[in-house]
Amino acid sequence: GAVVSQHPSWVICKSGTSVKIECRSLDFQATTMFWYRQFPKQSLMLMATSNEGSKATYEQGVEKDKFLINHASLTLSTLTVTSAHPEDSSFYICSARDPARGLAGGSYNEQFFGPGTRLTVL
Amino acid sequence: GENVEQHPSTLSVQEGDSAVIKCTYSDSASNYFPWYKQELGKGPQLIIDIRSNVGEKKDQRIAVTLNKTAKHFSLHITETQPEDSAVYFCAASRGYSTLTFGKGTMLLVSP
Repeated sequence: GAVVSQHPSWVICKSGTSVKIECRSLDFQATTMFWYRQFPKQSLMLMATSNEGSKATYEQGVEKDKFLINHASLTLSTLTVTSAHPEDSSFYICSARDPARGLAGGSYNEQFFGPGTRLTVL
Repeated sequence: GENVEQHPSTLSVQEGDSAVIKCTYSDSASNYFPWYKQELGKGPQLIIDIRSNVGEKKDQRIAVTLNKTAKHFSLHITETQPEDSAVYFCAASRGYSTLTFGKGTMLLVSP
């Protein structure tokens, strides 16, 4: 259980175009999802927290108009990189929190990560 | 906010040896400490976690210890195998807050 998928696994786009990345919780309902970016040989950097049915909360320094997040259902969150530029090239990873696991005696703070999306902007 | 320091940044061991990775945190109110394993080109995978009301937790070859007084926690891997080679991240959080990650440790297990 607690499987998170991402699509696409990799994408190459031209500078100036927009790219949408999907994050899905396959076997649980995720009221909260998180979006991270990771540069080579570096740690995960939280970009934003996405709550179903409400606006995302962005971390300081992350442009909300450039990184659009939509969490329209309990199993799907999307990240759209608008007007992408080469400096946006990175590994984007989503994670999801399953609140039911907390109720079942597990750790509420468990986050299950997707496999990541490699974005390359030419 | 929370700050998590992780050491070492790289660790090389021979197959069968033990490996220990250590993390310290700054927020004494943090109460959840997960460890993730990330293989090249993949997302992080939760391998073990511990809450502040427990001092040690073990799952087969993997164990985590927590010292709340000193504000540090460690990952112990015994009888290492080549497939244990990966980057390991520790993290900490308080309540339902977001996770703060360490910078990661690249573990290399040589046959």
